[in-house]
Amino acid sequence: EPEVTQTPSHQVTQMGQEVILRCVPISNHLYFYWYRQILGQKVEFLVSFYNNEISEKSEIFDDQFSVERPDGSNFTLKIRSTKLEDSAMYFCASSALAGAKETQYFGPGTRLLVL
Amino acid sequence: GESVGLHLPTLSVQEGDNSIINCAYSNSASDYFIWYKQESGKGPQFIIDIRSNMDKRQGQRVTVLLNKTVKHLSLQIAATQPGDSAVYFCAEWQSDTGNQFYFGTGTSLTVIP
Repeated sequence: EPEVTQTPSHQVTQMGQEVILRCVPISNHLYFYWYRQILGQKVEFLVSFYNNEISEKSEIFDDQFSVERPDGSNFTLKIRSTKLEDSAMYFCASSALAGAKETQYFGPGTRLLVL
Repeated sequence: GESVGLHLPTLSVQEGDNSIINCAYSNSASDYFIWYKQESGKGPQFIIDIRSNMDKRQGQRVTVLLNKTVKHLSLQIAATQPGDSAVYFCAEWQSDTGNQFYFGTGTSLTVIP
């Protein structure tokens, strides 16, 4: 069964450094998403992406964050100048066809720790 | 040290019993809902969804009930198995406050063999 994959599974970085989290969505999906989950808290929406541009973004997704689909398979989340409070699980998700209400399939997540 | 984070509601059931997990959602305009299962260290896994024009939807061993009057969603798991132990949370799709899903806090289900 096709699945969303994410790399790395764990990332440790120093405060102020830049990190890039990578995702490979399910191949025939057209909508891509990033979520984060701070330890013990709710999953929070960051951004949705369709047709090579951001569709929606939350208040969390400020200028520190950016997303990119550099090729036909990868979808990345870049966090510039990381802060301690960026430590969280970051989940990528994708959904098929048009309409973001379609079921979203999540990757296993990247655990980011900012020291 | 200081404890950070939410304390999840917990539910413990005997293997073979039925489980009912509840979720109260916030926006009466929400028209699509999903139940997710999240095992420790893994991403959310889709279980079942329901649109607001339905009251009930059944899957394999799972049933979702939607009560729009009181903005309440429930997940019923029949014949609960040890592999069902996980955190379960609902997500509501809100189009009037940004096209995105809002996730609930979750309920931690423990199945006792």
